[in-house]
Amino acid sequence: SQKIEQNSEALNIQEGKTATLTCNYTNYSPAYLQWYRQDPGRGPVFLLLIRENEKEKRKERLKVTFDTTLKQSLFHITASQPADSATYLCALEGTGGFKTIFGAGTRLFVKA
Amino acid sequence: DARVTQTPRHKVTEMGQEVTMRCQPILGHNTVFWYRQTMMQGLELLAYFRNRAPLDDSGMPKDRFSAEMPDATLATLKIQPSEPRDSAVYFCASGLTSGSETQYFGPGTRLLVL
Repeated sequence: SQKIEQNSEALNIQEGKTATLTCNYTNYSPAYLQWYRQDPGRGPVFLLLIRENEKEKRKERLKVTFDTTLKQSLFHITASQPADSATYLCALEGTGGFKTIFGAGTRLFVKA
Repeated sequence: DARVTQTPRHKVTEMGQEVTMRCQPILGHNTVFWYRQTMMQGLELLAYFRNRAPLDDSGMPKDRFSAEMPDATLATLKIQPSEPRDSAVYFCASGLTSGSETQYFGPGTRLLVL
């Protein structure tokens, strides 16, 4: 069955460092991979989308890589800030937009 | 600032009661999703509509859950009868089928069934 794995353990880093979160998947050939941020008590918020034919995408301090051979995406936050503390979810989507599957998320804590 | 709205934000009910959750998608969006989020299962897709037609509700327990879109501005999710295991946060999301289904989530309905 289709499976997405994100680090279940929280990631603790110091302010100013780069946070790197991992998303691995099996039994799926996604057309798109998305990253969302979720704060406690709120709905997920879209951050970045990367297509299967793209290796890397950047947006301000965020960078996403997508390796369809390894079936892995890495999500980087450079110069991290305490305000970046949240849960980050990756989501896979097949062609036609059917049935987006979300990972369980990784909790990030950035200490001042 | 266009947003997905959901009502109610919180609901406490007793086992066996009917629960109705409502969602207003962003104006102009033609896809609507219902998700359930729990600590154990994470975010699970319950139902998915495109242009008001149900496309996928395979994640929804059919015997007690139903999802509808009476019109383009309203989506509903009903649970009848509710059970304690239905306690979760229910999110509605909307999007545009313009090549990728970036989803815009509402604030969620936090449901507690006693």
